[in-house]
Amino acid sequence: GAVVSQHPSRVICKSGTSVKIECRSLDFQATTMFWYRQFPKKSLMLMATSNEGSKATYEQGVEKDKFLINHASLTLSTLTVTSAHPEDSSFYICSAFRTSGSNEQFFGPGTRLTVL
Amino acid sequence: QKEVEQDPGPLSVPEGAIVSLNCTYSNSAFQYFMWYRQYSRKGPELLMYTYSSGNKEDGRFTAQVDKSSKYISLFIRDSQPSDSATYLCAMRGTGANNLFFGTGTRLTVIP
Repeated sequence: GAVVSQHPSRVICKSGTSVKIECRSLDFQATTMFWYRQFPKKSLMLMATSNEGSKATYEQGVEKDKFLINHASLTLSTLTVTSAHPEDSSFYICSAFRTSGSNEQFFGPGTRLTVL
Repeated sequence: QKEVEQDPGPLSVPEGAIVSLNCTYSNSAFQYFMWYRQYSRKGPELLMYTYSSGNKEDGRFTAQVDKSSKYISLFIRDSQPSDSATYLCAMRGTGANNLFFGTGTRLTVIP
């Protein structure tokens, strides 16, 4: 299967700082990437859809200015959590949509964010 | 009503048992159906991918889709302790990229 990487895998930061998470599709190009948030023992909650070269589409209730998404190339999307607070602590997972072949969506390994 | 319903479990079975995991959905526009396996603190891993109705088999895993009943299943034969994970069903419509997920079923296979 296709490989999607995320960096960092784990980050601990102080309240008020900003954190950037990178999502890369390693062996295919992805015009569309997705960012999810997952709370313990819960399913994935879609935060936003990231389209290469255009603005991201955010789900209802997700603050655009809080969660900045940039999809600068066909293999890289970034999520920046600005002015992080403890309630932003969560597991953030990206996925990349591979349009060639069977149109499958592949997930990264996730980033665990802890805001102190 | 949620778009996708999945029994969260937990489900515990002895090693070697046949496991049946199921999801129901309400949107008749869904055409692509997936099962993901997620280990604790890891990202979901695609297990099975099915288009429209029918069965698909891959090793010990069999996915079934019944669009008339809006019901999908994943069967695991000869279950192993390494199968212990959360299993998420997901689906989407034609031309749509975003997935609709079930809540996930936590499975434990006891040696």
